[in-house]
Amino acid sequence: AQSVTQLDSHVSVSEGTPVLLRCNYSSSYSPSLFWYVQHPNKGLQLLLKYTSAATLVKGINGFEAEFKKSETSFHLTKPSAHMSDAAEYFCVVSDRVGGATNKLIFGTGTLLAVQP
Amino acid sequence: DSGVTQTPKHLITATGQRVTLRCSPRSGDLSVYWYQQSLDQGLQFLIQYYNGEERAKGNILERFSAQQFPDLHSELNLSSLELGDSALYFCASSPIPGGDTQYFGPGTRLTVL
Repeated sequence: AQSVTQLDSHVSVSEGTPVLLRCNYSSSYSPSLFWYVQHPNKGLQLLLKYTSAATLVKGINGFEAEFKKSETSFHLTKPSAHMSDAAEYFCVVSDRVGGATNKLIFGTGTLLAVQP
Repeated sequence: DSGVTQTPKHLITATGQRVTLRCSPRSGDLSVYWYQQSLDQGLQFLIQYYNGEERAKGNILERFSAQQFPDLHSELNLSSLELGDSALYFCASSPIPGGDTQYFGPGTRLTVL
């Protein structure tokens, strides 16, 4: 079965410093992996998606993630945090249920706080 | 804005009641997914419809049901509500049935008192 583990429930950084949100995955086949962001009282927004085309994936708002098969990791990074990045981030793996169905399996989330 | 709409935004009701949540997918998307986000269970897949037919079920309770209509909007019906059903319910849509990029609506926050 597919699963993802987010290694930190809370991360706090100062504005202008790098962000690292860690995610490990478990998959019996080549996975599709995603990062979604949820701002307070908002819906889920897709940040980026990995589907085996390139191991380094660039997303919106300066975020990127690197797929490392040897480490079964898909960590999210950003060189310089902005106050508006404060939100909850979810690492997600797509699970083929059967036929033409993909359900998303969410990690437990990492709450990112950005200090001024 | 993802293009997926959900109504209502908030819903407050009492235990034992029945409610209906509505979702309109992005224009052209045939597949609709429902997810539940609660404090104790996190984000969980409930059910998927494609072009009016049920395609997959996840951790959906028997008290819950869904359907997708010919105009592709979907409704999630929750009955005999319990306090533990209080959660944020998200709808997502994707362009093709096996498409794994899903676009989420803003959610409906259900509070059961």
